[in-house]
Amino acid sequence: GQNIDQPTEMTATEGAIVQINCTYQTSGFNGLFWYQQHAGEAPTFLSYNVLDGLEEKGRFSSFLSRSKGYSYLLLKELQMKDSASYLCAAMDSNYQLIWGAGTKLIIKP
Amino acid sequence: IAGITQAPTSQILAAGRRMTLRCTQDMRHNAMYWYRQDLGLGLRLIHYSNTAGTTGKGEVPDGYSVSRANTDDFPLTLASAVPSQTSVYFCASSEQTSGSTTGELFFGEGSRLTVL
Repeated sequence: GQNIDQPTEMTATEGAIVQINCTYQTSGFNGLFWYQQHAGEAPTFLSYNVLDGLEEKGRFSSFLSRSKGYSYLLLKELQMKDSASYLCAAMDSNYQLIWGAGTKLIIKP
Repeated sequence: IAGITQAPTSQILAAGRRMTLRCTQDMRHNAMYWYRQDLGLGLRLIHYSNTAGTTGKGEVPDGYSVSRANTDDFPLTLASAVPSQTSVYFCASSEQTSGSTTGELFFGEGSRLTVL
């Protein structure tokens, strides 16, 4: 079957770096998405990876290894506003998104 | 710029009642989707539409129906609501290129539905 695994919750300190991991198993693969969702709000797009390697976008970076079925989202210089859930989603061969349950990131001062 | 508008934002509904959640987008996106989000679970696709006039079933379509009469509107109907349909419902849209969807999803603000 198709499956996405990511940690349920993580805690980090303001100003630090945190890495949120995601592993996936899908029927075919057409890319890996990361979304941010603040409590009570809609998810918003952060990144898309389809080739192996690291994509950097400001304080956020996303990494993909297709051979390992693995991705991570790296957040640097953490700010309190980064407290949110981070959703990993893989696109299968039918271009359907398979979503993880999300990682709730708690930032402490 | 409105993006995607959902209505109502919140609703309490008696079991057995019919309910339609409205979704309108102004981005002229071809593809639209309805998801439900439940605590501890990932977003689950209910129905989708790749273009006006066509719809398809997602992962959890039972008890729901949709229509896509035009590009902008994609309503979701619960014919006879049951308590297990208590959830937060998100409408989303994306550009679609050459029969595939590789673009990001744009989400509405969600509709919180409680069925008693």
